[in-house]
Amino acid sequence: DTAVSQTPKYLVTQMGNDKSIKCEQNLGHDTMYWYKQDSKKFLKIMFSYNNKELIINETVPNRFSPKSPDKAHLNLHINSLELGDSAVYFCASSQERGTGRPGELFFGEGSRLTVL
Amino acid sequence: GQQLNQSPQSMFIQEGEDVSMNCTSSSIFNTWLWYKQDPGEGPVLLIALYKAGELTSNGRLTAQFGITRKDSFLNISASIPSDVGIYFCAGCGPMEYGNKLVFGAGTILRVKS
Repeated sequence: DTAVSQTPKYLVTQMGNDKSIKCEQNLGHDTMYWYKQDSKKFLKIMFSYNNKELIINETVPNRFSPKSPDKAHLNLHINSLELGDSAVYFCASSQERGTGRPGELFFGEGSRLTVL
Repeated sequence: GQQLNQSPQSMFIQEGEDVSMNCTSSSIFNTWLWYKQDPGEGPVLLIALYKAGELTSNGRLTAQFGITRKDSFLNISASIPSDVGIYFCAGCGPMEYGNKLVFGAGTILRVKS
């Protein structure tokens, strides 16, 4: 059973299009994240949700809109895609509150977005 | 903002050799973690450190949380081909930063068999 699953794994699209990436976790965690990994492999947090509530919103263009319908799902919608949006997007989840073990994230396999 | 300086950037070593990599920061962290990313996969947690001065082992891996809370190292003993990948350090906290996890730039490890 996959703990954190995201779809699609690969996405190739034209500039200006709108696309979504979906993420689901079956670990019962309260917190979910979106990270962006650029071509130099640098991992940067974009958003974090705890129990459907947005708690971290980094400096990300407002073309990126996360949505958490319930605590097991966190989707990422991107409007008007640009060349610079090409990257690997990772979803992750964690159970931090009440565990005393912050930072222990479980990552999905990533969604490679290529904007042409 | 918080930044982690991870070194070396990359290593190409002979199978059987020991490996050492480290991370430093000008900020204090409450938690240091080490993740490994295999090609085409997401990062996977290797070791988490929660107390300053803590030394923890996980098989051939050993990591330490620096006493100043501003640094950590990871050692891999007797490297094998499956150790290949990108190793990331990560720091978490302090509370005024919302317990946010910050990643280093990664160390790319290649192993010659």
